[in-house]
Amino acid sequence: NAGVTQTPKFQVLKTGQSMTLQCAQDMNHNSMYWYRQDPGMGLRLIYYSASEGTTDKGEVPNGYNVSRLNKREFSLRLESAAPSQTSVYFCASSEAPTATYNEQFFGPGTRLTVL
Amino acid sequence: RKEVEQDPGPFNVPEGATVAFNCTYSNSASQSFFWYRQDCRKEPKLLMSVYSSGNEDGRFTAQLNRASQYISLLIRDSKLSDSATYLCVVRRGDKIIFGKGTRLHILP
Repeated sequence: NAGVTQTPKFQVLKTGQSMTLQCAQDMNHNSMYWYRQDPGMGLRLIYYSASEGTTDKGEVPNGYNVSRLNKREFSLRLESAAPSQTSVYFCASSEAPTATYNEQFFGPGTRLTVL
Repeated sequence: RKEVEQDPGPFNVPEGATVAFNCTYSNSASQSFFWYRQDCRKEPKLLMSVYSSGNEDGRFTAQLNRASQYISLLIRDSKLSDSATYLCVVRRGDKIIFGKGTRLHILP
């Protein structure tokens, strides 16, 4: 099993460009998440999908959109990138958000720089 | 007040020593608790869940104190490979909240 995979691993964008970050999991998990991690800020939830067909905003959704394409895939789109979106982006999955001991499995991250 | 708070450190600890971290949470409705480990420039990985009665996994012991709303992580006989950032994670309903992490450096 590959677990959670993310593409690309690195990306440099110019202000105003758009891009989509891809995430896929092969663990048959119901829930998927997108986080960003900035120095001194910890992990912040952007959007999550509790189950296929549903998406909800997290703590910092502005400037992002998501698509839960199917049970395996959850993409994050930046429509018009801004320097404030320079960050490391992690995708994660878990069986269900309300399971008592619900481990989240993380992908390796995408390091995005917006110039 | 942040919902999950941790001392950011860094904790600089000699190899072989015992080190303990605390994490406080503000919402008494929090239901599940975890410690994750994150190595530099890597993704977080689950270290251990924290059970109400406390639990141990080798050199690692986790405790939960619901009355005072904190969880703790104790590392005994610390190894150089324990150097990492330790993230406290709390679940409340379908919401999962990460602390900012505590940096640990084990010194040879």
